[in-house]
Amino acid sequence: DGGITQSPKYLFRKEGQNVTLSCEQNLNHDAMYWYRQDPGQGLRLIYYSQIVNDFQKGDIAEGYSVSREKKESFPLTVTSAQKNPTAFYLCASSGLAGVSNEQYFGPGTRLTVT
Amino acid sequence: GESVGLHLPTLSVQEGDNSIINCAYSNSASDYFIWYKQESGKGPQFIIDIRSNMDKRQGQRVTVLLNKTVKHLSLQIAATQPGDSAVYFCAESNFGNEKLTFGTGTRLTIIP
Repeated sequence: DGGITQSPKYLFRKEGQNVTLSCEQNLNHDAMYWYRQDPGQGLRLIYYSQIVNDFQKGDIAEGYSVSREKKESFPLTVTSAQKNPTAFYLCASSGLAGVSNEQYFGPGTRLTVT
Repeated sequence: GESVGLHLPTLSVQEGDNSIINCAYSNSASDYFIWYKQESGKGPQFIIDIRSNMDKRQGQRVTVLLNKTVKHLSLQIAATQPGDSAVYFCAESNFGNEKLTFGTGTRLTIIP
């Protein structure tokens, strides 16, 4: 099956700890994205990457970090500097711009920080 | 900044009726639009897309209409079913740019 996997589905952490969310895709997509979704809200872009070893900040990058060492993987680290980390995190990927802008989403990771 | 918004946050429709979900966009340079469906606790799923050189596009039970004059997008779902209950998002971009800007969503509830 081709698609995007995110793990774990639910994640619990204590305040002050860094936590890394996994995102893997086997769609051979060049671009990958991380979004944050709060209850009753839309998706806000955290970081995106159009190519391996390169990434750009989205609208709400503060308190987050990413890496793109492999085409199929785009992990997101929620650092202790993120003031309100509890949220639903969605990873997505897409093909080449100008060919298809459709983004394919993973199932999401719900992070709860107490 | 530019943003995509929705007129109504919630919509309730009787099963079997047609539903229309609206979306206003403000970036006149946007030339590509997508509708996504998100069920509770899941990631968004692609429904249908449309480029700005079209006014209408049809899929299975769904139709997207684009009115560039008033910067308005709508999603029509025919003969709604209980499985159509979800939050629906519109998103816009420039076709040569992978980034999408999402609206806040409309929650569609199908009444049996």
